[in-house]
Amino acid sequence: DAGVIQSPRHEVTEMGQEVTLRCKPISGHNSLFWYRQTMMRGLELLIYFNNNVPIDDSGMPEDRFSAKMPNASFSTLKIQPSEPRDSAVYFCASRPVRGSSYNEQFFGPGTRLTVL
Amino acid sequence: AQKVTQAQTEISVVEKEDVTLDCVYETRDTTYYLFWYKQPPSGELVFLIRRNSFDEQNEISGRYSWNFQKSTSSFNFTITASQVVDSAVYFCALSGGPGAGSYQLTFGKGTKLSVIP
Repeated sequence: DAGVIQSPRHEVTEMGQEVTLRCKPISGHNSLFWYRQTMMRGLELLIYFNNNVPIDDSGMPEDRFSAKMPNASFSTLKIQPSEPRDSAVYFCASRPVRGSSYNEQFFGPGTRLTVL
Repeated sequence: AQKVTQAQTEISVVEKEDVTLDCVYETRDTTYYLFWYKQPPSGELVFLIRRNSFDEQNEISGRYSWNFQKSTSSFNFTITASQVVDSAVYFCALSGGPGAGSYQLTFGKGTKLSVIP
């Protein structure tokens, strides 16, 4: 089975540009999480969805960040306009509904974002 | 609020030495889950173990072992006979159980382990 797929793997952009990060969760998983990893703050949750509905977006840093999950197999995290302090690795993770791995989050490879 | 503390920022050991990575957690949930993840230099997050709060049995998997002590809110990770391939950042994490509703992971800051040949 394919794991969580994220694209792009690397993104370099200039300050002020719009950035869109994409995630395809594992088929059959009903929860999706976006995390950000920086040296200063470590791994922190930005937002999570349950059955495509945003449940908790309290970790989203500011209005420049938005996330959507239009269907069970796709989610986006958008930054508009981007700033240098947004440079980080962004991870997407999904969680199964049931089974032996219930409550385990499966992580994608991450997108390394650099904002110049 | 949930909190995970990994007091060791960096550890260096010589190959074949044993090493223990410490993890202390705080939570008000009566049911919760603890995790360890490995992040090698390539950057991906690799799941190592999940432990639920009502199962305090220690676990061993090859050279890896985990010691869960509810009385001290600790979930320590030991690597026996370390190898160079064990060099990575290791994260301890905590999530709520079914009653908590969210299952979001709260991560510690990580411990960078360097195994010297």
